[in-house]
Formats: sequence, C-alpha cells, structure tokens
Amino acid sequence: DAGVIQSPRHEVTEMGQEVTLRCKPISGHDYLFWYRQTMMRGLELLIYFNNNVPIDDSGMPEDRFSAKMPNASFSTLKIQPSEPRDSAVYFCASRTATESSYNEQFFGPGTRLTVL
Amino acid sequence: DAKTTQPPSMDCAEGRAANLPCNHSTISGNEYVYWYRQIHSQGPQYIIHGLKNNETNEMASLIITEDRKSSTLILPHATLRDTAVYYCIVRVDRLLIRQSGSARQLTFGSGTQLTVLP
Repeated sequence: DAGVIQSPRHEVTEMGQEVTLRCKPISGHDYLFWYRQTMMRGLELLIYFNNNVPIDDSGMPEDRFSAKMPNASFSTLKIQPSEPRDSAVYFCASRTATESSYNEQFFGPGTRLTVL
Repeated sequence: DAKTTQPPSMDCAEGRAANLPCNHSTISGNEYVYWYRQIHSQGPQYIIHGLKNNETNEMASLIITEDRKSSTLILPHATLRDTAVYYCIVRVDRLLIRQSGSARQLTFGSGTQLTVLP
C-alpha cells in the first residue's frame, strides 16, 4: 500500500486565491482526518469524516475553509479566499475502524501551503 | 481527554536509551496513552500505546506508572534518525467511543523535541 497520498506537496499562492488540497486515504480506511500544523499552534485537528460523512468540523477555523469527501478514496480541503495566516502544513490521516487498529492513524506527507 | 505535560526538549547520546516522560495526572480509567513522533518535514508516526500494563514493540517500550498518572517512552538504543518531536496523547477507549458516538480524533500537545547527539 502506498500509504496516505496528499497533493500537492507544496503550494504557493497569493492572498485571495482559492486553494484546494487533496488527499487519498489508505484503501479500506473509513476514517479520514485533516490536520493543520504551524509553529505557533502546533498540530490541530480541523475536521474528520467517517464513511465519507463529516462528523466533527469544530476545528475548522472559519467559513473560508471547507472540506468534502465525495467517495471513500478522495477528500479535499478548500480555502477560499486564502490569507497569509493560512500558511501552514496541512496533513491528512486515515484509519480503519477494525478492532485491531485502536486509534492508530496513518498520516500523509503533508502539503506545505504558503500564502503570500 | 486528559491533558498531558511533556518537557519541551531533551538530548540523548547515540546508542544510549532515550527516556521521554509524560505526565497525565487527570487521566481517567478508560483512557489509553498513545505516543506518536514527528520527524522534521514528515507526518506524525504512531509508536506505541497502552492502558495500564507496560508495552513493548519493535520501536519502543512504554512504562505506565501504577497510578497511571505518568508514563515514560523508552527508545532502547537511540539513533540519529530518532531525532524528532515526540507526542504523548491520552484518548478514550475505542469501545467507549463507539458506544457514545464521540469523536475518534487525537489531540496533539506541544510534544518533546528529542535530539540524538552523535
């Protein structure tokens, strides 16, 4: 298995532009998580899905952020319009719900977003 | 979830054991202790978890005190590649999560920056 795949790995954009981050979870995993990491705030959970349904989006910072999971193998995190304070590394993670997995989440390599 | 407290940084000589402490004095009986690490520029990586018994796997050992208010992650023979930020997390038992419908997320604190020195 290739693990959790994220694209792009790096994104540089200008303030006001729309940014879309993509994630492909590990096949068979039915939970998907989006995290954001900054020096100031550390690693924060933004939103997570179970079987493609958003369960908890309380970590989404504001309405400019939205996330979708149209099917079990794909999710997007969109920022519109982007602002410089959105600059961070965005991680996607997935896990299965089987008995043997506990809360072991598998993380992707992250997308480093820079908003100028 | 119970709050955890970790030292911000530690150094360890290569080849020696690295002992990373974590305090979780408000942990409840159904909360597990998890350890993740994050090597620079990579996503977090699961290391080990436990409830009340000591655990060991190919990566590390986890020692949980009898009162469960603290734990120690042990890397028996640290290498330069073990330099990373180590996160101690406590999380409710997964069966309880399923019954209550509570979130299955992990809440990361600030962690300990472990630097393995040559």
